[in-house]
Amino acid sequence: SAVISQKPSRDICQRGTSLTIQCQVDSQVTMMFWYRQQPGQSLTLIATANQGSEATYESGFVIDKFPISRPNLTFSTLTVSNMSPEDSSIYLCSVDPQSSYGYTFGSGTRLTVV
Amino acid sequence: GNSVTQMEGPVTLSEEAFLTINCTYTATGYPSLFWYVQYPGEGLQLLLKATKADDKGSNKGFEATYRKETTSFHLEKGSVQVSDSAVYFCALSDQRRDDKIIFGKGTRLHILP
Repeated sequence: SAVISQKPSRDICQRGTSLTIQCQVDSQVTMMFWYRQQPGQSLTLIATANQGSEATYESGFVIDKFPISRPNLTFSTLTVSNMSPEDSSIYLCSVDPQSSYGYTFGSGTRLTVV
Repeated sequence: GNSVTQMEGPVTLSEEAFLTINCTYTATGYPSLFWYVQYPGEGLQLLLKATKADDKGSNKGFEATYRKETTSFHLEKGSVQVSDSAVYFCALSDQRRDDKIIFGKGTRLHILP
């Protein structure tokens, strides 16, 4: 299965600032996904990122708040903009299955907004 | 739309006890089913999967069978260990429709020594 490196692993940020999370995959993948996991909750899909096109956002998530880049088939970034304490969550990237093994997730970015 | 429902936790068991975590799903297509595990402070790891009816996924002593007639994918383990303490997520995806994974709310498992 693909190996995903996600960074930073954690950060504490001031409200009103922005944080960019990076996701690097060790192989080329068609689709990458960004999820949010709020404290004690399950994972919610933010958007799907395809190389060469704009990301597709799920209901409740907008590009201005969560801009995504996908410059090539091995890399993507998610920016959390104009942060508020409600954005404190774990953010995870995931890639589509390149083998029968299934989806792979990054280790996550634990964001705390103060 | 597609959805996943799993039993609420936390579930607390003694070491060597039998574990069942229930999971049922609703899907209009032919989903693949997954169990993911999240150990404290870590990201998600795929535990096991099944891609069609009657398939049994297994890994690390855990098993789950894809039951189309009952739309279920219950996770079982015959003898749990303290190291199994984690949050377990049931999930589905239907690659013939899109590649999104839909997760259940997660079940926190505590194993007491």
